[in-house]
Amino acid sequence: GENVEQHPSTLSVQEGDSAVIKCTYSDSASNYFPWYKQELGKRPQLIIDIRSNVGEKKDQRIAVTLNKTAKHFSLHITETQPEDSAVYFCAGGVDSSYKLIFGSGTRLLVRP
Amino acid sequence: EAQVTQNPRYLITVTGKKLTVTCSQNMNHEYMSWYRQDPGLGLRQIYYSMNVEVTDKGDVPEGYKVSRKEKRNFPLILESPSPNQTSLYFCASGWNRGNSPLHFGNGTRLTVT
Repeated sequence: GENVEQHPSTLSVQEGDSAVIKCTYSDSASNYFPWYKQELGKRPQLIIDIRSNVGEKKDQRIAVTLNKTAKHFSLHITETQPEDSAVYFCAGGVDSSYKLIFGSGTRLLVRP
Repeated sequence: EAQVTQNPRYLITVTGKKLTVTCSQNMNHEYMSWYRQDPGLGLRQIYYSMNVEVTDKGDVPEGYKVSRKEKRNFPLILESPSPNQTSLYFCASGWNRGNSPLHFGNGTRLTVT
């Protein structure tokens, strides 16, 4: 079945630096790739998503890139701030399916 | 306010005592799903529902039941809870399928002793 692997499991950066989180997926039919942010003790919330007909999408300081050939996608956060500290989950889904498979999560710590 | 409401937020129970975690959404979403979150394992799908009276298994359905009698409600039932079901549970809803943005509830932390 579909599998989504996420790396690294933890990431520590200095405030102002960039952070990159990478995910790979196994099902070549996957065409929807959202990213969720979960702050401590709170629910996951969608921060950005991308579909397979697009190679890159940006929203202010965050961007997602997709490489369909290599079956991987990445989240890029620039100019990190302490409030970016959270657990980030990538996920992969298929239009014809009702399943959304999540990665195992990356705990990002932004040091002031 | 558009939201997904789960209850209870915290639950401590004993092995074998049936329990239900309720989930309700007010956005008229067709799709609803239950996930459990465990350290290092991310969010794993338990069951999902495509519409009223239509449900299907996710990746970890063993020991759980669901029902979708009304569009807004999607309760999770543990007929005979066991300690390995101790986890953080999230209900989520979306417009259709699993590939539209999901709105999550606030979570239910369940402890089975």
